[in-house]
Amino acid sequence: DTGVSQNPRHKITKRGQNVTFRCDPISEHNRLYWYRQTLGQGPEFLTYFQNEAQLEKSRLLSDRFSAERPKGSFSTLEIQRTEQGDSAMYLCASSPNAGGETQYFGPGTRLLVL
Amino acid sequence: GDSVTQMEGPVTLSEEAFLTINCTYTATGYPSLFWYVQYPGEGLQLLLKATKADDKGSNKGFEATYRKETTSFHLEKGSVQVSDSAVYFCALIPGGGAQKLVFGQGTRLTINP
Repeated sequence: DTGVSQNPRHKITKRGQNVTFRCDPISEHNRLYWYRQTLGQGPEFLTYFQNEAQLEKSRLLSDRFSAERPKGSFSTLEIQRTEQGDSAMYLCASSPNAGGETQYFGPGTRLLVL
Repeated sequence: GDSVTQMEGPVTLSEEAFLTINCTYTATGYPSLFWYVQYPGEGLQLLLKATKADDKGSNKGFEATYRKETTSFHLEKGSVQVSDSAVYFCALIPGGGAQKLVFGQGTRLTINP
């Protein structure tokens, strides 16, 4: 069990550019979640996968955001045409399918949009 | 909708003091309740949880009891240490099959030696 990993850990980009983040969940965890955390606030839910199926999306996830989990293992979160308001920490978490509500979080990707 | 309200911080205490961080919630179903902790420079870690009314979660000397009648899940520790300095988040997973965590805004705790 190596924990949830996220890459990159930090990303600085210019407004209007596209960025993509990767999350590798704990192996054999079927469920994968994305959250966004701004400074001084708690994380806010973005989206959730069970295996490769995206089962829930928050209204926070505008049409500039897309998330995939093509083979039910790692996931990517892409932000197109970034805006300064997208600057935040993007957190990934995973949990087992059966009997497990506990979500295990990765270290996050900090995005700064200039 | 579902929400969590936490005691505003920052909270500063001396080592060995008693700690309480208040947390109340609003939920339409029967939620599970959690406390997560974020130490400086580290990711979110589960501290403790309770899945039904009157359950008590405990870990590392911290405790919280799921109180349905007062919709509360206050975090307590009898004697804090400098190493407990961190940001603490109360959270819930709503009942009814929902999977997302709903977090409070966090409470920053600083323990002075």
